[in-house]
Amino acid sequence: KQEVTQIPAALSVPEGENLVLNCSFTDSAIYNLQWFRQDPGKGLTSLLLIQSSQREQTSGRLNASLDKSSGRSTLYIAASQPGDSATYLCAVRQVGGSNYKLTFGKGTLLTVNP
Amino acid sequence: GAVVSQHPSRVICKSGTSVKIECRSLDFQATTMFWYRQFPKQSLMLMATSNEGSKATYEQGVEKDKFLINHASLTLSTLTVTSAHPEDSSFYICSARAYRGDSQDTQYFGPGTRLTVL
Repeated sequence: KQEVTQIPAALSVPEGENLVLNCSFTDSAIYNLQWFRQDPGKGLTSLLLIQSSQREQTSGRLNASLDKSSGRSTLYIAASQPGDSATYLCAVRQVGGSNYKLTFGKGTLLTVNP
Repeated sequence: GAVVSQHPSRVICKSGTSVKIECRSLDFQATTMFWYRQFPKQSLMLMATSNEGSKATYEQGVEKDKFLINHASLTLSTLTVTSAHPEDSSFYICSARAYRGDSQDTQYFGPGTRLTVL
């Protein structure tokens, strides 16, 4: 059974700092990995999706990397801003099956202080 | 990007009543929709997978008679929590799968519904 772990559970940084969020998964037979953002009491916003054949994806100040063999992914946020404050979730899709099941981690609660 | 809506966004009900939550894909057709629940500071847990025109597939431990799912059209799935109890209070999130080929196979999430059972 796939398990996804995110470290740290919470992180507080001053504005402008670069930071890294970590995600690990136990079963490396994944189809892709996705990073989401969730604001309090809201749904999920997809940030980056990395296919299993890719090593990284970039969008603006965000960069996500994937090391499938070691079961790890990182989300790098450059020059953090207060508006980046949210919970960041990592989710993996397993190889096989036709229903596109995602397994989520518990998330990292990020607070960027002005 | 594709938009998924949920209604209502919040609902408070008395114990023993039933509550229906709607999930709609607004600008695309979704043959598959998913229902998740999320407890505070916990990850999203998949409850069931809903395919248009067929019975939903429930995850282990989810009571199908308590959480009724109907996917009557390509843009609408409903989750009915029957005889709700306080322990059913949670944040329910749906998602809809937009498949446009293997390189464009994405799940879009709704804004969630906060259910509080008194």
